Amino acid sequence: GNSVTQMEGPVTLSEEAFLTINCTYTATGYPSLFWYVQYPGEGLQLLLKATKADDKGSNKGFEATYRKETTSFHLEKGSVQVSDSAVYFCALRGFNKFYFGSGTKLNVKP
Amino acid sequence: DTGVSQDPRHKITKRGQNVTFRCDPISEHNRLYWYRQTLGQGPEFLTYFQNEAQLEKSRLLSDRFSAERPKGSFSTLEIQRTEQGDSAMYLCASSSTSGSSYNEQFFGPGTRLTVL
Repeated sequence: GNSVTQMEGPVTLSEEAFLTINCTYTATGYPSLFWYVQYPGEGLQLLLKATKADDKGSNKGFEATYRKETTSFHLEKGSVQVSDSAVYFCALRGFNKFYFGSGTKLNVKP
Repeated sequence: DTGVSQDPRHKITKRGQNVTFRCDPISEHNRLYWYRQTLGQGPEFLTYFQNEAQLEKSRLLSDRFSAERPKGSFSTLEIQRTEQGDSAMYLCASSSTSGSSYNEQFFGPGTRLTVL
């Protein structure tokens, strides 16, 4: 079946630090992969996506590369800001619906 | 703003009462999804519609839950005889099966249900 596993949080970083949030998946077929971000009290916002192996999604300084050989889609950012504090969800789309990881809370301290 | 909207944003009810939530998707989107999100977890799929047809329901959707999308536009999710375990955030999302954002899901702000 389809499932997503992401690293547990919270992750606490100082401003300008490097960020990695690990995500691995199990899927039948070749799913599309996504990262969503959720700010307090809000719904999920699409951060980036990749639709096939070796694609790199990027947005707002965040990047993730679709690695079929390791079934991974790790989220990275070179220099985090306080405003990046939020919960990040890795997701895959398969069979017309989305499967989400449990989320990783990121706290960025000034 | 033509994003996904949900109403109400918050609902507090007593155990055993019925509640109904509404979702208005992005107008040109033909697919509409309902998810449930509990504290510290990711959204879990409940059901989805393509136009007015309900195409799939999760096993999470017990017979106390019913969803409709009568005209292929807005949708309602009703929970009958609420239980404390129903307390969660209920998220709605919509997507299109055509265009540049093919099958990206756009989420509403959610309805937070608290059952006392």
